[in-house]
Amino acid sequence: EDQVTQSPEALRLQEGESSSLNCSYTVSGLRGLFWYRQDPGKGPEFLFTLYSAGEEKEKERLKATLTKKESFLHITAPKPEDSATYLCAVQAATNDYKLSFGAGTTVTVRA
Amino acid sequence: DTAVSQTPKYLVTQMGNDKSIKCEQNLGHDTMYWYKQDSKKFLKIMFSYNNKELIINETVPNRFSPKSPDKAHLNLHINSLELGDSAVYFCASSQDGGGTQYFGPGTRLTVL
Repeated sequence: EDQVTQSPEALRLQEGESSSLNCSYTVSGLRGLFWYRQDPGKGPEFLFTLYSAGEEKEKERLKATLTKKESFLHITAPKPEDSATYLCAVQAATNDYKLSFGAGTTVTVRA
Repeated sequence: DTAVSQTPKYLVTQMGNDKSIKCEQNLGHDTMYWYKQDSKKFLKIMFSYNNKELIINETVPNRFSPKSPDKAHLNLHINSLELGDSAVYFCASSQDGGGTQYFGPGTRLTVL
């Protein structure tokens, strides 16, 4: 069964203090790895898709990278509005129509 | 214009009751999903529908019955509600079962 483990569970940052979130995964053939952002009381919002090792995607202060066993979400010079729970999910090549999510990392950025 | 909408947003009910949650998407997607997010924020898929056909049923109790009258709608009916059903339920949609999914705002179900 596909497994996704995210660390740390929670991350408290000072505004401007860069950091990284980790997503380790086990899947029988990766179709794609996905990052989502979830604000309190709202549904997850899609951020990135990564398909193969070595791939990188960027959006504003966020940068996602992928290796064969894990993905990192780097937050550069975060602002308070980056505070959210970041969810990682995988889709197996043999299992369309299903995303397996990790438990998320809750990021709090203090001004 | 909301892409994926759910009603109601909150649902408080007694054990043993039956309730329904409705979902609609206006993105033109052919695949819709129901997810359950528990108190620890873990998001787990329950059902996937493609073109009104059930594709995935993730060992969900028979008390949960999804229905897709057309590609734009996916409803969830729950019979004989139990305390453990308390959670936030999210509807989502995507094209061709892809992992780029668009989520609704969620329905917080509380069973007393």
